[in-house]
Amino acid sequence: EVHLVESGGGLVHPGGSLRLSCAASGFTFSNYWMSWVRQPPGQGLEWVANINPDGSVKYYVDSVKGRFTISRDNARSSLFLQMTSLRAEDTAVYFCVRDQSGVGTDSWGQGTLAIVAS
Amino acid sequence: DIVMTQLPLSSPVTLGQPASISCRSSQSLVHSDGNTYLSWLQQRPGQPPRLLIYKISNRFSGVPDRFSGSGTGTDFTLKISRVEAEDVGIYYCMQSTQFPLYGFGQGTKLEIK
Repeated sequence: EVHLVESGGGLVHPGGSLRLSCAASGFTFSNYWMSWVRQPPGQGLEWVANINPDGSVKYYVDSVKGRFTISRDNARSSLFLQMTSLRAEDTAVYFCVRDQSGVGTDSWGQGTLAIVAS
Repeated sequence: DIVMTQLPLSSPVTLGQPASISCRSSQSLVHSDGNTYLSWLQQRPGQPPRLLIYKISNRFSGVPDRFSGSGTGTDFTLKISRVEAEDVGIYYCMQSTQFPLYGFGQGTKLEIK
């Protein structure tokens, strides 16, 4: 069974940094594109970033370009999101998501909450 | 960027009755490979989203057959043949035709009358 567990969320001041992690199990992690999708409190879903299986290709939504970095460690079946220069509008639950070719976002973690506030 | 628009934003329905949610994209979702990468996700209260339907009409593993998807090009519909209490939540359409860039609709809240 596919299992995705996020961690690393918390309260941070504007301008600060957070590093989110996602531990994957139940599948061959190195075979899949992986994404981060976020959801501000009471709002809808927003795709943030994704990364190809070997980590060489990365894409970001415009609002986080230059501030967030997605990465992965295939040996440890882990996905990361380094978030810097955080703003209040980055406050959200961040979900780790597996991308299945031809199917889409077929597995989601429970999410980790990042709050940016002074 | 492709904009996804859902209607209605809220849908009160009676248990046992059908429900329908519409999703429209600002441009065709037909990919150069001939497939249309339009998915539907369900988010129950307090839960992460869950994939229901992919490529317009394919039910994902474990999804009850009361859920069905249809549509072509820019107009898509999710239908629930007979709403059950466990169907309460928010439903999102999502396009991955522009993969690796994704886009979501605003969400439609399904609630029981």
